[in-house]
Amino acid sequence: AQSVTQPDIHITVSEGASLELRCNYSYGATPYLFWYVQSPGQGLQLLLKYFSGDTLVQGIKGFEAEFKRSQSSFNLRKPSVHWSDAAEYFCAVGSRGDMRFGAGTRLTVKP
Amino acid sequence: EAQVTQNPRYLITVTGKKLTVTCSQNMNHEYMSWYRQDPGLGLRQIYYSMNVEVTDKGDVPEGYKVSRKEKRNFPLILESPSPNQTSLYFCASSLKQGGNQPQHFGDGTRLSIL
Repeated sequence: AQSVTQPDIHITVSEGASLELRCNYSYGATPYLFWYVQSPGQGLQLLLKYFSGDTLVQGIKGFEAEFKRSQSSFNLRKPSVHWSDAAEYFCAVGSRGDMRFGAGTRLTVKP
Repeated sequence: EAQVTQNPRYLITVTGKKLTVTCSQNMNHEYMSWYRQDPGLGLRQIYYSMNVEVTDKGDVPEGYKVSRKEKRNFPLILESPSPNQTSLYFCASSLKQGGNQPQHFGDGTRLSIL
């Protein structure tokens, strides 16, 4: 069965520091991978997606993610975090009809 | 403006009183889905619909019903709500099948079942 693991429940970084959020998945075929962001009281907004091709994908707000098949990972990165990036981040794996989400990583940004 | 609209946004009700949460999208999307979000569990899929009159169970369908009589609407029905259905619910839609398409999410409905 497909599953998604986000090992870090909560991460705190200083503004201007780099960020990496981890995501590991378990799926039998080539997965469709997504990162979403949720600000307080809001729905989820798509940051980026990977379907095939180049394993480094660029998203909105300066985020990028790298698909590593050998490690079953799809980690999200940002070179310099802004205070407005504080939110909850969800990794998701999709198949034909269903979608599985990780438990989320809450990002706190220190001034 | 392209959007997914859920109503109500907040609801407090009592055990056993039937309720419906409506979801409507204006993007002519084929795929729609319902999720519940609980702390520490992320989002879990309740039901999804590939198109009109086509629905299927997600991970946690027990206690819920859905219908898809027209393309734009996908209501979530709780026939006899119980306290363990207290949660934050999201409706989402995408152009085609959900697995390989990014989904557009509504702003959520917070349900409290007393």
